[in-house]
Amino acid sequence: DQQVKQNSPSLSVQEGRISILNCDYTNSMFDYFLWYKKYPAEGPTFLISISSIKDKNEDGRFTVFLNKSAKHLSLHIVPSQPGDSAVYFCAASVSSGTYKYIFGTGTRLKVLA
Amino acid sequence: NAGVTQTPKFQVLKTGQSMTLQCAQDMNHNSMYWYRQDPGMGLRLIYYSASEGTTDKGEVPNGYNVSRLNKREFSLRLESAAPSQTSVYFCASKGFPDIQYFGAGTRLSVL
Repeated sequence: DQQVKQNSPSLSVQEGRISILNCDYTNSMFDYFLWYKKYPAEGPTFLISISSIKDKNEDGRFTVFLNKSAKHLSLHIVPSQPGDSAVYFCAASVSSGTYKYIFGTGTRLKVLA
Repeated sequence: NAGVTQTPKFQVLKTGQSMTLQCAQDMNHNSMYWYRQDPGMGLRLIYYSASEGTTDKGEVPNGYNVSRLNKREFSLRLESAAPSQTSVYFCASKGFPDIQYFGAGTRLSVL
Protein backbone atom coordinates (compact mmCIF):
# COMPACT_ATOMS: atom_id res chain seq x y z
CA ASP A 1 0.00 0.00 0.00
CA GLN A 2 1.73 3.12 -1.27
CA GLN A 3 1.00 6.06 1.01
CA VAL A 4 2.76 8.60 -1.20
CA LYS A 5 2.21 8.42 -4.95
CA GLN A 6 3.76 10.19 -7.88
CA ASN A 7 1.69 8.99 -10.79
CA SER A 8 3.77 10.54 -13.57
CA PRO A 9 7.05 8.65 -14.01
CA SER A 10 8.34 11.27 -16.43
CA LEU A 11 7.72 14.79 -17.70
CA SER A 12 9.26 16.82 -20.52
CA VAL A 13 9.09 20.62 -20.59
CA GLN A 14 10.57 23.30 -22.80
CA GLU A 15 13.18 25.59 -21.27
CA GLY A 16 11.58 28.73 -19.87
CA ARG A 17 8.15 27.14 -19.41
CA ILE A 18 6.55 25.98 -16.17
CA SER A 19 7.14 22.47 -14.83
CA ILE A 20 4.43 21.04 -12.57
CA LEU A 21 5.16 17.87 -10.64
CA ASN A 22 2.38 16.22 -8.68
CA CYS A 23 2.19 14.07 -5.57
CA ASP A 24 -0.77 12.46 -3.80
CA TYR A 25 -0.88 10.95 -0.34
CA THR A 26 -3.36 8.78 1.50
CA ASN A 27 -2.42 9.13 5.17
CA SER A 28 -4.27 12.09 6.71
CA MET A 29 -1.81 12.10 9.62
CA PHE A 30 0.98 13.42 7.38
CA ASP A 31 1.64 17.04 8.26
CA TYR A 32 5.05 17.80 6.77
CA PHE A 33 6.01 17.42 3.13
CA LEU A 34 9.29 17.77 1.28
CA TRP A 35 10.59 17.70 -2.26
CA TYR A 36 14.00 16.30 -3.13
CA LYS A 37 15.93 16.45 -6.37
CA LYS A 38 18.25 13.68 -7.49
CA TYR A 39 20.87 13.71 -10.21
CA PRO A 40 22.33 10.42 -11.53
CA ALA A 41 25.01 8.85 -9.31
CA GLU A 42 24.31 11.35 -6.51
CA GLY A 43 22.19 11.28 -3.38
CA PRO A 44 18.90 13.18 -3.19
CA THR A 45 19.21 16.82 -2.16
CA PHE A 46 16.57 18.83 -0.34
CA LEU A 47 14.68 21.32 -2.46
CA ILE A 48 11.71 22.75 -0.57
CA SER A 49 9.27 21.79 2.17
CA ILE A 50 5.84 22.74 3.45
CA SER A 51 4.02 22.29 6.72
CA SER A 52 0.33 21.45 6.75
CA ILE A 53 -0.43 24.78 8.42
CA LYS A 54 0.41 26.44 5.09
CA ASP A 55 -0.96 25.95 1.60
CA LYS A 56 1.96 27.49 -0.29
CA ASN A 57 5.70 27.91 0.13
CA GLU A 58 8.05 29.67 -2.28
CA ASP A 59 11.79 29.62 -2.69
CA GLY A 60 13.03 31.39 -5.77
CA ARG A 61 11.88 29.54 -8.88
CA PHE A 62 10.34 26.76 -6.80
CA THR A 63 6.86 26.83 -5.25
CA VAL A 64 5.10 24.01 -3.46
CA PHE A 65 1.32 23.99 -3.12
CA LEU A 66 -0.55 21.86 -0.62
CA ASN A 67 -4.24 20.96 -0.89
CA LYS A 68 -5.05 19.11 2.32
CA SER A 69 -8.64 18.32 1.44
CA ALA A 70 -7.51 16.61 -1.78
CA LYS A 71 -4.40 15.14 -0.12
CA HIS A 72 -2.39 16.55 -2.98
CA LEU A 73 0.76 18.60 -3.33
CA SER A 74 2.49 19.99 -6.37
CA LEU A 75 5.87 21.48 -7.15
CA HIS A 76 6.02 24.34 -9.67
CA ILE A 77 9.29 25.32 -11.28
CA VAL A 78 9.20 28.64 -13.13
CA PRO A 79 11.03 29.20 -15.41
CA SER A 80 12.37 25.71 -16.04
CA GLN A 81 16.06 25.42 -16.88
CA PRO A 82 18.06 22.54 -18.41
CA GLY A 83 19.89 22.14 -15.07
CA ASP A 84 16.55 21.25 -13.48
CA SER A 85 16.57 17.95 -15.38
CA ALA A 86 16.61 15.34 -12.61
CA VAL A 87 14.40 12.93 -10.72
CA TYR A 88 12.13 14.62 -8.18
CA PHE A 89 10.86 12.80 -5.11
CA CYS A 90 8.14 13.97 -2.78
CA ALA A 91 8.20 12.78 0.81
CA ALA A 92 5.79 12.99 3.72
CA SER A 93 6.03 12.58 7.46
CA VAL A 94 4.16 12.92 10.70
CA SER A 95 6.17 15.63 12.42
CA SER A 96 5.52 14.56 15.98
CA GLY A 97 7.75 11.71 16.99
CA THR A 98 7.96 8.97 14.35
CA TYR A 99 11.06 10.28 12.53
CA LYS A 100 9.95 8.30 9.47
CA TYR A 101 9.62 9.72 5.99
CA ILE A 102 7.66 8.02 3.22
CA PHE A 103 8.91 8.75 -0.27
CA GLY A 104 7.09 8.64 -3.57
CA THR A 105 8.44 6.74 -6.56
CA GLY A 106 9.81 9.84 -8.26
CA THR A 107 9.18 11.82 -11.46
CA ARG A 108 11.94 12.21 -14.02
CA LEU A 109 11.90 15.77 -15.36
CA LYS A 110 13.59 16.59 -18.62
CA VAL A 111 13.90 20.27 -19.56
CA LEU A 112 14.52 20.67 -23.26
CA ALA A 113 16.77 23.48 -24.45
CA ASN B 1 32.41 20.02 5.13
CA ALA B 2 31.83 16.43 4.00
CA GLY B 3 28.19 16.03 5.17
CA VAL B 4 27.23 12.34 4.87
CA THR B 5 29.92 9.95 3.66
CA GLN B 6 29.16 6.41 2.50
CA THR B 7 31.65 3.64 1.79
CA PRO B 8 32.08 1.77 -0.44
CA LYS B 9 30.61 3.41 -3.55
CA PHE B 10 30.33 0.12 -5.44
CA GLN B 11 30.31 -3.52 -4.35
CA VAL B 12 29.71 -6.86 -6.02
CA LEU B 13 28.89 -9.83 -3.81
CA LYS B 14 28.12 -13.47 -4.39
CA THR B 15 24.94 -14.91 -2.92
CA GLY B 16 25.52 -15.81 0.72
CA GLN B 17 28.42 -13.43 1.30
CA SER B 18 28.23 -10.81 4.03
CA MET B 19 29.24 -7.19 4.06
CA THR B 20 28.83 -3.96 6.00
CA LEU B 21 27.97 -0.62 4.45
CA GLN B 22 29.47 2.28 6.36
CA CYS B 23 27.97 5.72 6.89
CA ALA B 24 29.33 8.71 8.78
CA GLN B 25 28.01 12.25 9.19
CA ASP B 26 29.82 15.29 10.48
CA MET B 27 26.81 17.55 11.06
CA ASN B 28 26.15 16.50 14.68
CA HIS B 29 22.70 15.18 13.74
CA ASN B 30 20.84 12.90 16.12
CA SER B 31 18.83 10.88 13.59
CA MET B 32 20.23 8.66 10.86
CA TYR B 33 18.58 6.47 8.21
CA TRP B 34 19.24 3.72 5.70
CA TYR B 35 17.20 3.54 2.47
CA ARG B 36 17.28 1.41 -0.63
CA GLN B 37 16.29 2.66 -4.05
CA ASP B 38 14.98 0.27 -6.68
CA PRO B 39 13.59 1.09 -10.13
CA GLY B 40 9.94 2.14 -9.90
CA MET B 41 9.95 1.83 -6.09
CA GLY B 42 11.33 5.14 -4.92
CA LEU B 43 13.24 5.26 -1.65
CA ARG B 44 12.24 2.69 0.94
CA LEU B 45 13.31 2.93 4.56
CA ILE B 46 15.26 -0.08 5.85
CA TYR B 47 16.20 1.02 9.37
CA TYR B 48 16.56 4.27 11.22
CA SER B 49 18.14 5.52 14.42
CA ALA B 50 16.33 8.37 16.12
CA SER B 51 19.28 8.98 18.43
CA GLU B 52 22.53 7.38 19.54
CA GLY B 53 21.82 4.03 21.16
CA THR B 54 18.45 3.42 19.48
CA THR B 55 17.49 1.72 16.23
CA ASP B 56 14.12 0.86 14.71
CA LYS B 57 12.81 -1.04 11.71
CA GLY B 58 11.53 0.73 8.66
CA GLU B 59 9.45 -0.58 5.76
CA VAL B 60 11.84 -3.28 4.47
CA PRO B 61 14.14 -4.49 7.31
CA ASN B 62 14.27 -8.21 6.50
CA GLY B 63 17.78 -9.45 5.70
CA TYR B 64 19.50 -6.44 7.26
CA ASN B 65 20.96 -5.43 10.60
CA VAL B 66 22.20 -2.04 11.74
CA SER B 67 24.54 -0.62 14.35
CA ARG B 68 24.60 2.95 15.62
CA LEU B 69 28.21 2.91 16.65
CA ASN B 70 28.23 6.46 17.97
CA LYS B 71 26.55 9.75 17.08
CA ARG B 72 28.49 10.01 13.82
CA GLU B 73 28.32 6.47 12.44
CA PHE B 74 25.46 4.19 11.39
CA SER B 75 26.32 0.95 9.60
CA LEU B 76 24.14 -1.47 7.64
CA ARG B 77 25.02 -5.17 7.54
CA LEU B 78 23.92 -7.85 5.12
CA GLU B 79 24.61 -11.18 6.84
CA SER B 80 23.84 -13.42 3.87
CA ALA B 81 23.38 -11.44 0.68
CA ALA B 82 20.62 -12.40 -1.75
CA PRO B 83 20.04 -11.26 -5.37
CA SER B 84 16.91 -9.43 -4.15
CA GLN B 85 19.23 -7.11 -2.21
CA THR B 86 20.76 -5.78 -5.41
CA SER B 87 19.99 -2.08 -5.10
CA VAL B 88 21.38 1.38 -4.48
CA TYR B 89 21.66 2.11 -0.76
CA PHE B 90 21.50 5.59 0.67
CA CYS B 91 22.35 6.77 4.15
CA ALA B 92 20.87 10.00 5.48
CA SER B 93 20.97 12.10 8.61
CA LYS B 94 18.29 14.51 9.77
CA GLY B 95 18.91 18.02 10.91
CA PHE B 96 16.76 21.00 11.82
CA PRO B 97 14.13 21.67 10.62
CA ASP B 98 13.39 18.07 9.71
CA ILE B 99 15.48 18.00 6.54
CA GLN B 100 17.30 14.82 5.60
CA TYR B 101 20.77 15.03 4.10
CA PHE B 102 21.83 12.10 1.95
CA GLY B 103 25.10 10.46 1.08
CA ALA B 104 26.08 9.71 -2.51
CA GLY B 105 24.96 6.09 -2.27
CA THR B 106 26.40 2.58 -2.50
CA ARG B 107 25.58 0.58 -5.60
CA LEU B 108 25.41 -3.10 -4.62
CA SER B 109 25.09 -6.06 -6.96
CA VAL B 110 24.49 -9.56 -5.60
CA LEU B 111 25.16 -12.32 -8.12
